[in-house]
Amino acid sequence: NAGVTQTPKFQVLKTGQSMTLQCAQDMNHNSMYWYRQDPGMGLRLIYYSASEGTTDKGEVPNGYNVSRLNKREFSLRLESAAPSQTSVYFCASSEKGPHTEAFFGQGTRLTVV
Amino acid sequence: AQSVTQLGSHVSVSEGALVLLRCNYSSSVPPYLFWYVQYPNQGLQLLLKYTSAATLVKGINGFEAEFKKSETSFHLTKPSAHMSDAAEYFCAVSAPNDYKLSFGAGTTVTVRA
Repeated sequence: NAGVTQTPKFQVLKTGQSMTLQCAQDMNHNSMYWYRQDPGMGLRLIYYSASEGTTDKGEVPNGYNVSRLNKREFSLRLESAAPSQTSVYFCASSEKGPHTEAFFGQGTRLTVV
Repeated sequence: AQSVTQLGSHVSVSEGALVLLRCNYSSSVPPYLFWYVQYPNQGLQLLLKYTSAATLVKGINGFEAEFKKSETSFHLTKPSAHMSDAAEYFCAVSAPNDYKLSFGAGTTVTVRA
């Protein structure tokens, strides 16, 4: 049972390049989330999907887009990467919203130069 | 809006000593409160959660936390630290029917032999 799987684990981008971070969960969860983690700031919510077919902005959505491809998959896209987007990105899922336990992937460490 | 403040970005304890991590929350409605742990180069995993049942919540690995409404606190404790407790700990809050799980900045715990 893999849980939440994120790809890639590491990525270096040049400023202005685009990329998509992939996330898949095999727990049949309804809700999925994308967070970024920066030193001294904890985790901040970028976007979330309460259920298949819906997506909503979190605290820091600027510069990102998301797609809930199906119940299992939730991708995060950076259209034009900026150095300020250097961070560790975590995908998470929960059965029915954040008051139920959230399960996290192992993270994607992204550096934008 | 909900938010949490973790007091102390770094805590150092001796093996066998009490671990006390402080978390204060701000919420306009009765909150759900969580503690998560992050081991190096891994995602977060749930230690325990408060969802308006018992005010003293027991979690995994011998941790527990007490919800004190009068003090707006949800401090995490463990009576006797083990070397394996070295990690970063995050307090988080959400409101009923709110998908935004807000995290504190985190507290890094080191355990001295």
